[in-house]
Formats: sequence, structure tokens, C-alpha cells
Amino acid sequence: GAGVSQSPRYKVAKRGQDVALRCDPISGHVSLFWYQQALGQGPEFLTYFQNEAQLDKSGLPSDRFFAERPEGSVSTLKIQRTQQEDSAVYLCASSLLTSLASYEQYFGPGTRLTVT
Amino acid sequence: EDKVVQSPLSLVVHEGDTVTLNCSYEVTNFRSLLWYKQEKKAPTFLFMLTSSGIEKKSGRLSSILDKKELSSILNITATQTGDSAIYLCAVGDNNAGNMLTFGGGTRLMVKP
Repeated sequence: GAGVSQSPRYKVAKRGQDVALRCDPISGHVSLFWYQQALGQGPEFLTYFQNEAQLDKSGLPSDRFFAERPEGSVSTLKIQRTQQEDSAVYLCASSLLTSLASYEQYFGPGTRLTVT
Repeated sequence: EDKVVQSPLSLVVHEGDTVTLNCSYEVTNFRSLLWYKQEKKAPTFLFMLTSSGIEKKSGRLSSILDKKELSSILNITATQTGDSAIYLCAVGDNNAGNMLTFGGGTRLMVKP
């Protein structure tokens, strides 16, 4: 079946530009996560949605970062006035919450953002 | 704040060797420990270990959770070049919702 998809796969932005990164989770997955992965590092949590509700945004590094999931499926991560330190791979993951609380997260291929 | 540390940072072996990757963690209220394999793109799920399932095995890969030592190992026997990847360890914390805290990964290279 279809996995998590993300677009674009690569994005080059000039410093100061706004960017929007899209994530299509696995159909029926309630939970959606965004992670930022810098070169040579593990993914770092940014934000978490359960359906359309953003339940945790504690990992967003600044108020330039904004995420939404208005209909509880597709999510968009927006970065305003990009800075060079925003250059990273942005990973989206989804998981299916069941009564047994499955916490296995399925990852998309990521969007590699390069800010010049 | 939850913390995950993996070692070694990188490892080079030859095909057929056995490798052991380490993961240690500090977490407020442990829920689970997960191993992922990351090649060029998405991390792919390998194992999830919990208090009720501290040992998992799949083919040449196996993993054990040591809750006393707050650590886990991932073993790969008879390594193949296709095992070359970054192996990520992550922990889930019952006090942190559904987020995972990842370690920095171990980069494994298997030479022919």
C-alpha cells in the first residue's frame, strides 16, 4: 500500500523566502509528526498532530515555523523568512493509534531544504 | 529532558562480520525503544521493544532491551553490503505524548 509521501523532495530557498512543505500520511493514520534532521544527526521532534488538532508544538525552533493539518489528513509545515540554519531534511511520520496504543511511526522520504 | 546516545558513531566492517550497535537512554517514564534503519531516505522500522517485549529477532537482526542498564543493543550477524545504513535508536516517553526522541545514529558501512 501507499506509504507516507512528502513534497517537494528537494527545495532550495534564498534566505528570507517562505517555504511550504507537504506531507501526505498513510490513509487512516490518526497521528502525524514532523521532525527536523540536520546532517549527521538523528531526527529531532518538531510537532505532533492527532487528527486536525496540534497537540504538541514544543519542538518548533521559532515562531517562523508553523504547521497545520486542517482536515486531519494532509499536513503542511511552513517556514517563514528562512535562515541558513533551517537547512535540514524535514521528515514527516504517521502512526495508527489503536486501543493497544501502537507507537510505531512510519516515515516519509523527507524534504531536503537548502537555504542559500 | 529525554536523551538517547548511540555508539559507535560509525563502524566499518567486512561482509560476514557480526556487529553490535549500542543505544543508551535517559527517559522520565519509559514506554518503548525503537530501532530504525535509514538509508538514503525514510527511516524504516526494525523493532520496537517494551517492558513486555525485551527481545526481538528478525532474520539476521536481533535486539535486546536492558531496562536495568537503560540500554539496548542491535545485533546484525553475517553482515551484507545491503546492511550499510544509519541505524537510529529512539525512545518513547509516557510523559511526552507520542513523540519519539532519537539518538544521533550509528553509520554502518559493510565492505565486500
